[in-house]
Amino acid sequence: GQSLEQPSEVTAVEGAIVQINCTYQTSGFYGLSWYQQHDGGAPTFLSYNALDGLEETGRFSSFLSRSDSYGYLLLQELQMKDSASYFCAGRGYGGSQGNLIFGKGTKLSVKP
Amino acid sequence: EPEVTQTPSHQVTQMGQEVILRCVPISNHLYFYWYRQILGQKVEFLVSFYNNEISEKSEIFDDQFSVERPDGSNFTLKIRSTKLEDSAMYFCASRGSETQYFGPGTRLLVL
Repeated sequence: GQSLEQPSEVTAVEGAIVQINCTYQTSGFYGLSWYQQHDGGAPTFLSYNALDGLEETGRFSSFLSRSDSYGYLLLQELQMKDSASYFCAGRGYGGSQGNLIFGKGTKLSVKP
Repeated sequence: EPEVTQTPSHQVTQMGQEVILRCVPISNHLYFYWYRQILGQKVEFLVSFYNNEISEKSEIFDDQFSVERPDGSNFTLKIRSTKLEDSAMYFCASRGSETQYFGPGTRLLVL
């Protein structure tokens, strides 16, 4: 099976940097993705790590360490619009078809 | 930019009724998925579909659920006899290479 753990809530101020951690346990692993979801909206793809290291996309970066079964999402220069839930998701159940197993999500609140 | 679309956006039904949720995946994608999200909870995998057949399904996807790709564009999820606990947001997703793109979802309410 596969499970992913992440903090339930994080609060930060506008302009700051925040890191959302994700640890996973899996019998098969094919990469870690990060999705953003605003209330009532669909998950929106942010980043994907198949290999160890850092992936940078604008203000967002994602890191993966497969040896530690750990990854994180880093959000820089926080803006109010970044207030949302952030989910890490692993590709599991055999991997080849890519179905995602989601963590429970981290609710990020950005304060002025 | 191509996107996944879903209809209807909202569906209200009586317990025991059949519902069909529709999705149009991104046109050149080959892998299709259904997920659900109960209010306030995480997104849960239901089923994946490739080459006109189910490739993987979760424990949630029991005999009451079925999927179909009736033509070259639509991908449907049918719930034969809805239960109260089927009330959730249902997301369709499609994948070309690495990334899954989600549709806006159908909010299903079973009364």
